[in-house]
Amino acid sequence: GAGVSQSPSNKVTEKGKDVELRCDPISGHTALYWYRQSLGQGLEFLIYFQGNSAPDKSGLPSDRFSAERTGGSVSTLTIQRTQQEDSAVYLCASSLPLAGGNNEQFFGPGTRLTVL
Amino acid sequence: AQKITQTQPGMFVQEKEAVTLDCTYDTSDPSYGLFWYKQPSSGEMIFLIYQGSYDQQNATEGRYSLNFQKARKSANLVISASQLGDSAMYFCALSGGSYIPTFGRGTSLIVHP
Repeated sequence: GAGVSQSPSNKVTEKGKDVELRCDPISGHTALYWYRQSLGQGLEFLIYFQGNSAPDKSGLPSDRFSAERTGGSVSTLTIQRTQQEDSAVYLCASSLPLAGGNNEQFFGPGTRLTVL
Repeated sequence: AQKITQTQPGMFVQEKEAVTLDCTYDTSDPSYGLFWYKQPSSGEMIFLIYQGSYDQQNATEGRYSLNFQKARKSANLVISASQLGDSAMYFCALSGGSYIPTFGRGTSLIVHP
């Protein structure tokens, strides 16, 4: 596709349920990032994929969070046993991992998660 | 470790005036990049401008320019001739050898008519 897509755009769930958020990056972008943005806050880094491997999972806030990427393309972020503090916008971005820091990120529209 | 600091939580500017949004950074990487993104109330993150650490000239993109002062470790965004549509959150980001950008906390810009 032309840009990064994410689904669903909105998700309302009950506390304790599991949710899956999907990200479809720009074709050819080998780097993929997940961020979380709470209301009025900056971006909190969650996880980074290079191809199908995740060299940095340091941002995942707890073991309830996991992510995978298959075929070097689509990624799924799974949150198990959701809590109210998980409510946020989850943003996905993809980029070409160019050396020297010039890795402009292209962001998806985000998934707004509300945990009741 | 990388660090980005945006000290202005909110800024106001009159339409058609210029405004500067501050960003300072710290990194030990010899080669790095600085980015600015705009996030309107609709939520999407829009790339505005990029500056490489070895670029000799300050980056410009239309009404956006980046005032890059390497010795002072600052990369301020200048928006000329502000428009009402410029009202948004603005994020500064730093990317180095780790490929994982560090984002600042953002500055909220409100453009008054």
